[in-house]
Amino acid sequence: SQKIEQNSEALNIQEGKTATLTCNYTNYSPAYLQWYRQDPGRGPVFLLLIRENEKEKRKERLKVTFDTTLKQSLFHITASQPADSATYLCALNNAGNMLTFGGGTRLMVKP
Amino acid sequence: GAGVSQSPSNKVTEKGKDVELRCDPISGHTALYWYRQSLGQGLEFLIYFQGNSAPDKSGLPSDRFSAERTGGSVSTLTIQRTQQEDSAVYLCASSLARAGGGSEQYFGPGTRLTVT
Repeated sequence: SQKIEQNSEALNIQEGKTATLTCNYTNYSPAYLQWYRQDPGRGPVFLLLIRENEKEKRKERLKVTFDTTLKQSLFHITASQPADSATYLCALNNAGNMLTFGGGTRLMVKP
Repeated sequence: GAGVSQSPSNKVTEKGKDVELRCDPISGHTALYWYRQSLGQGLEFLIYFQGNSAPDKSGLPSDRFSAERTGGSVSTLTIQRTQQEDSAVYLCASSLARAGGGSEQYFGPGTRLTVT
């Protein structure tokens, strides 16, 4: 069956370090992969989209990689700040507009 | 411009009652989605509207759940004979519909439903 896995345990890092979150999937061939941020009590907010033929995408302090052979995406936040503390969700879509979301990983950046 | 809005923000209802949740998508967005999120869990897809096409209802958990989208804009999610396991945050999202996919979704703040 199709599955999207994100580490359900919270990731705790020190301010200034690089945070790396992982999204693994099985039995999907996604045309696109997206990352969202969700703060408590709020809806997810779109961050980045990467296509299947792209290896890497950057936006300010954010970097996403997409390895379709490993079936994995890595999401990096460099020079992390306490304000980056949130839950980060990966989502896949297969050439349509519907998304399937992973369970999310909570990131805690300590000052 | 205005984002996606949802109402009410909170709803407490007694088991067995019907509830209606409303979503106002971003103007011009032809795609509209409903999700459910239980405490500490990921998003569970419920239903997807795309333009005038028949909605994709594959995520609705039971026939107590239904949704409609009037005039290609506002959507209402109805839960009949609510059960305690229906307690969750119900999120609505909208997006442009691009051929080939890849549209980012814009989410509302959600409606927190509590069934007592």
